[in-house]
Amino acid sequence: ETGVTQSPTHLIKTRGQQVTLRCSSQSGHNTVSWYQQALGQGPQFIFQYYREEENGRGNFPPRFSGLQFPNYSSELNVNALELDDSALYLCASSFVAGAYNEQFFGPGTRLTVL
Amino acid sequence: AQSVTQPDIHITVSEGASLELRCNYSYGATPYLFWYVQSPGQGLQLLLKYFSGDTLVQGIKGFEAEFKRSQSSFNLRKPSVHWSDAAEYFCAVGVGEYGNKLVFGAGTILRVKS
Repeated sequence: ETGVTQSPTHLIKTRGQQVTLRCSSQSGHNTVSWYQQALGQGPQFIFQYYREEENGRGNFPPRFSGLQFPNYSSELNVNALELDDSALYLCASSFVAGAYNEQFFGPGTRLTVL
Repeated sequence: AQSVTQPDIHITVSEGASLELRCNYSYGATPYLFWYVQSPGQGLQLLLKYFSGDTLVQGIKGFEAEFKRSQSSFNLRKPSVHWSDAAEYFCAVGVGEYGNKLVFGAGTILRVKS
């Protein structure tokens, strides 16, 4: 059983560009959450997808968007990048079916915006 | 609004000494509470969780945590620290259905001296 994987590992973009980050959920999981972890801070919840539908969103602007695919992999898209978007982006997957189930985190994608 | 406070940014302990990492939360309902550990280049790993019942919970790697409702605290403890415990530790409160959207504290970096 493979764990949660994310690609790419590192990414450098310039202000105003767009970026797509990818997450492959753990096998059998139907829910994926994305978090932003700025340097020296704890992760902040961006949004969650359950069975391809957005299922909750944190305090992030609409230029942060996402997708979940039928195989439960996921993308995080960020448009019009700003310097403050520089952070480690973490995805976490879980199987949700009427009760708590542990979220498993990937190693993250380090995004640098210049 | 939900929030988590970890008062200590850095803690240094000697190998073999006991450890306590502090966590205070703000949440209106009965909280889902978690402790995660993050090592460099790795994703977050769940150490332990509290939902209800016994207020002293045991986790992996010899960690335990005690939930104190009157103090809104969920402190993490370990009786004897090993050099491999050096990492960053995050306390989190789970919100939403089944507590699967996490609000994290800013983290505590643990250094272990030999």
